[in-house]
Amino acid sequence: EAQVTQNPRYLITVTGKKLTVTCSQNMNHEYMSWYRQDPGLGLRQIYYSMNVEVTDKGDVPEGYKVSRKEKRNFPLILESPSPNQTSLYFCASRGNSGNTIYFGEGSWLTVV
Amino acid sequence: GENVEQHPSTLSVQEGDSAVIKCTYSDSASNYFPWYKQELGKGPQLIIDIRSNVGEKKDQRIAVTLNKTAKHFSLHITETQPEDSAVYFCAAYNYGQNFVFGPGTRLSVLP
Repeated sequence: EAQVTQNPRYLITVTGKKLTVTCSQNMNHEYMSWYRQDPGLGLRQIYYSMNVEVTDKGDVPEGYKVSRKEKRNFPLILESPSPNQTSLYFCASRGNSGNTIYFGEGSWLTVV
Repeated sequence: GENVEQHPSTLSVQEGDSAVIKCTYSDSASNYFPWYKQELGKGPQLIIDIRSNVGEKKDQRIAVTLNKTAKHFSLHITETQPEDSAVYFCAAYNYGQNFVFGPGTRLSVLP
């Protein structure tokens, strides 16, 4: 089954404690990205990656890092989380030949 | 850059009635307009899309219309059912750019 898998699905952490949200896709897609979803703001792109070793900032990259060492994985790193990063996060991928975005099931992150 | 507005933010309809959600975009170069449905606890899923060379597209009870001149497009759901209750996102895309999503519409279908 084609899917994007992200972990953890739910996390409560404290300010300043580094965390990583993993993302993996099994569709051999070149393009992957991370979004955050906040009430009234919709889906905003944090970072994206056109292919392995190539990443770029989206609309709201501050406070986040990413890496793309393998095609299937695209982890999101919060080096020093702050309460304003409390949000619902989605990893997504898209094939080169199509425009359909496939989203993971989301990761609820709370920073206290 | 592209900006996408979406209205209404919430919509309640009686089961069996129709629902319409409207989006406007700012960049006339955008040429692909998908609609995503997000059910509770899940990620958004593509339900229908339309390209700029088409004015209307239909898939069973859902349809999308596009007015390039006015730069707006709409999602139409007929004969609504409880399983249509979800958050719907529109988006605009131009090749080589990134998708820009609207803020979402929470649709509730009342039995």
